[in-house]
Amino acid sequence: QLQLQESGPGLVKPSETLSLTCTVSGGSISSTSSYWGWIRQPPGEWLEWIGNIYYSGSTYYNPSLESRVTISVDTSKNQFSLKLSSVTAADTAVYYCASTIGGYTAFEWWGQGTLVTVSS
Amino acid sequence: QSALTQPPSASGSPGQSVTISCTGTSSDVGGYSYVSWYQQHPGKAPKLMIYEVIKRPSGVPDRFSGSKSGNTASLTVSGLQAEDEADYYCCSFAGSNNLLFGGGTKLTVL
Repeated sequence: QLQLQESGPGLVKPSETLSLTCTVSGGSISSTSSYWGWIRQPPGEWLEWIGNIYYSGSTYYNPSLESRVTISVDTSKNQFSLKLSSVTAADTAVYYCASTIGGYTAFEWWGQGTLVTVSS
Repeated sequence: QSALTQPPSASGSPGQSVTISCTGTSSDVGGYSYVSWYQQHPGKAPKLMIYEVIKRPSGVPDRFSGSKSGNTASLTVSGLQAEDEADYYCCSFAGSNNLLFGGGTKLTVL
């Protein structure tokens, strides 16, 4: 069974860059059948897709966030990462990493999520 | 405001069936067979219940089923059980490598 675990700072200052890493265990991030994604959920609100990456490095981003988002993969460490620049309080959310099933549109395995608060 | 429209709440008694709708446009729900549904209990990560409109991942009870008609997708939960009480979110491919989520529906088991 695949397991995913997010890690990174829980507090980021406005205008700085949010950086999170997702460590995958129980399977290989180089699997040809999965994409790896980031999804976030502001407190009390709905889910928002941030973007996906394939092990080859191909990326797909939410158009509304694309100018600020970078997702990268490190196959040697079985990890993928998220960077979100120029953050504001609106970026405060629980950030989840996940892996897909049947292409890149459905997320089967999820991390537990990590709360990132943007505040000075 | 979320891109896909879901009713904020739904309810049913144990053993009954309940259907949750997810309305989009011909550019997302209506244009592709890539609608998925997630169950989320408070403080927990979402759980995939349905993908590609009608498919169930391994381990998901067949009490959960999905369908789509035009620009509206639906999740039906049959034989409601207490543990089905949760928030449910739909998600659709929207072309141009974009994924959209709905605003969520709180399902209450009476």
